[in-house]
Amino acid sequence: DQQVKQNSPSLSVQEGRISILNCDYTNSMFDYFLWYKKYPAEGPTFLISISSIKDKNEDGRFTVFLNKSAKHLSLHIVPSQPGDSAVYFCAASAYAGGTSYGKLTFGQGTILTVHP
Amino acid sequence: DSGVTQTPKHLITATGQRVTLRCSPRSGDLSVYWYQQSLDQGLQFLIQYYNGEERAKGNILERFSAQQFPDLHSELNLSSLELGDSALYFCASSVEAQGTQYFGPGTRLLVL
Repeated sequence: DQQVKQNSPSLSVQEGRISILNCDYTNSMFDYFLWYKKYPAEGPTFLISISSIKDKNEDGRFTVFLNKSAKHLSLHIVPSQPGDSAVYFCAASAYAGGTSYGKLTFGQGTILTVHP
Repeated sequence: DSGVTQTPKHLITATGQRVTLRCSPRSGDLSVYWYQQSLDQGLQFLIQYYNGEERAKGNILERFSAQQFPDLHSELNLSSLELGDSALYFCASSVEAQGTQYFGPGTRLLVL
């Protein structure tokens, strides 16, 4: 039962163009969403997040869009740079009560390659 | 650098053995999470501790256990190791009331 899905295993983009990475989820209890970037043999690095009360969050070249009705989120990288080449993971979390969030549920990842 | 540290970076051991992985969270973070990344399973949640107490359990085998100490560092103990336990083990930490988790560099475990 994969609650968070990244249907594209890989994406190839030219430097300077837009990269769009997609993620779908099935659990309607998820209310916090994150994107992580990961290099081989390193830990995931937090990129950007969005709460379910918003539909867009921007941080520099990175923008995350959330469509709650479609249970879909996307990460836009503009402009793409060769240094962005990595595996990108979408993750989701549900409010666990009190003042805490629970575990992260991850998608399978999308390998982004940005060509010079 | 996320501020989360993990030791050792690499570990090679034999089947049937027991190992301990260590994690120090970011300064001020009370929650520690352990995740396993194997080739075919992606990143899977194992267990969460908050301020010394177990908060949530995921797909953690009975052969695995964890604890969080008063200084907030955590240890993941893996016993009766099998070939299939070979994986990357990540620790993450977070500030209470926030959903963002910051990950350490991981421990690569190879069971031969």
